Amino acid sequence: AQSVTQLDSQVPVFEEAPVELRCNYSSSVSVYLFWYVQYPNQGLQLLLKYLSGSTLVKGINGFEAEFNKSQTSFHLRKPSVHISDTAEYFCAVSDLAGGTSYGKLTFGQGTILTVHP
Amino acid sequence: DVKVTQSSRYLVKRTGEKVFLECVQDMDHENMFWYRQDPGLGLRLIYFSYDVKMKEKGDIPEGYSVSREKKERFSLILESASTNQTSMYLCASSPGGTGANVLTFGAGSRLTVL
Repeated sequence: AQSVTQLDSQVPVFEEAPVELRCNYSSSVSVYLFWYVQYPNQGLQLLLKYLSGSTLVKGINGFEAEFNKSQTSFHLRKPSVHISDTAEYFCAVSDLAGGTSYGKLTFGQGTILTVHP
Repeated sequence: DVKVTQSSRYLVKRTGEKVFLECVQDMDHENMFWYRQDPGLGLRLIYFSYDVKMKEKGDIPEGYSVSREKKERFSLILESASTNQTSMYLCASSPGGTGANVLTFGAGSRLTVL
């Protein structure tokens, strides 16, 4: 079985500051990793994904994440945040057991990012 | 753009009522999912379907059932609603094959059971 832990439930930052949202996962097999964002009163949108290849993944809105297999982490970063980045962010994992997963994702608990002026 | 539409954004029901949550996607996706979202718990998978009339239990199927009679429509059914089913319900879909892991979500249905 796989699991995902987001280490911070809330992260307050000031506008234009850098931010890192932490995510650790556990799985006995190879995984795909994702970050989704949920703006208030909306569904989730895909921010970025790691399937294979380069461990540094770039996503939308200036976000990036780095896959670290030895530390089983997939932390999300942005060098300078905006007020509009205020949202809840979810890390998710899908394992490759059996060769296919039909898209079943296991989500973390979520991190609420609040950007203050 | 892929669109996943959930028919009701807000519902208020009474304990014991039968509740239907409807979800329709317009991009011919093979896979469809129902998740439940609660503060501090993230999203938990209730049921998913990888083909018409096919369904599999997720992590928290108790108290729920699903129906997929047509490829584009996936319904979540609460046979007898209880107060602990008050939650946000999110429907999602994804294509088959290598794209299966990229989910597109609907806006959610917030259910309150009194």
